[in-house]
Amino acid sequence: ETGVTQTPRHLVMGMTNKKSLKCEQHLGHNAMYWYKQSAKKPLELMFVYNFKEQTENNSVPSRFSPECPNSSHLFLHLHTLQPEDSALYLCASSPTYGQGGTDTQYFGPGTRLTVL
Amino acid sequence: GQNIDQPTEMTATEGAIVQINCTYQTSGFNGLFWYQQHAGEAPTFLSYNVLDGLEEKGRFSSFLSRSKGYSYLLLKELQMKDSASYLCAVMDSNYQLIWGAGTKLIIKP
Repeated sequence: ETGVTQTPRHLVMGMTNKKSLKCEQHLGHNAMYWYKQSAKKPLELMFVYNFKEQTENNSVPSRFSPECPNSSHLFLHLHTLQPEDSALYLCASSPTYGQGGTDTQYFGPGTRLTVL
Repeated sequence: GQNIDQPTEMTATEGAIVQINCTYQTSGFNGLFWYQQHAGEAPTFLSYNVLDGLEEKGRFSSFLSRSKGYSYLLLKELQMKDSASYLCAVMDSNYQLIWGAGTKLIIKP
């Protein structure tokens, strides 16, 4: 138990569906992250929020839409996805952002997404 | 460009020692992280090095040489539960983590 939870753990959706991924952290951290993990590839950073403000958006397609209502919750809204978007989506949090060692990230278990 | 290199897969024997190497080329350096990820689970933090030298934590140690752009993770007294992927990540000058693709470690009895 790392203090970061994600729901759902598994999601199958069609290309025309709209769904949302949820992440919650119970660690009192100020920064939250969304990553995409595909087999045999490095983790791809998608979005970073620090104190609820988006600080990074790494050229992510607009079919992925993040939302951070407070420092403990992070959502990823999905719509009109493509089959190549199938992957493990990981959420992480860290005490700080932009300060080095205290930016150590703690991960949730991920949502395994399959797009048909 | 920025690049992290680590072996794709390694095999070792239970009770033995294994060293997983990581070399990096990044725009600036604000520390290097090692994570462990069991299949189907979240990556979990193992170590952070920002100064040269060896950091020891029980059976796991991590070494850093900034001048060589090199780190290794040393696992001693290997146990079957150490079978996992080990991820190396470097924090660049913008405090973004650049991740390697991970090394899958297989432990045999």
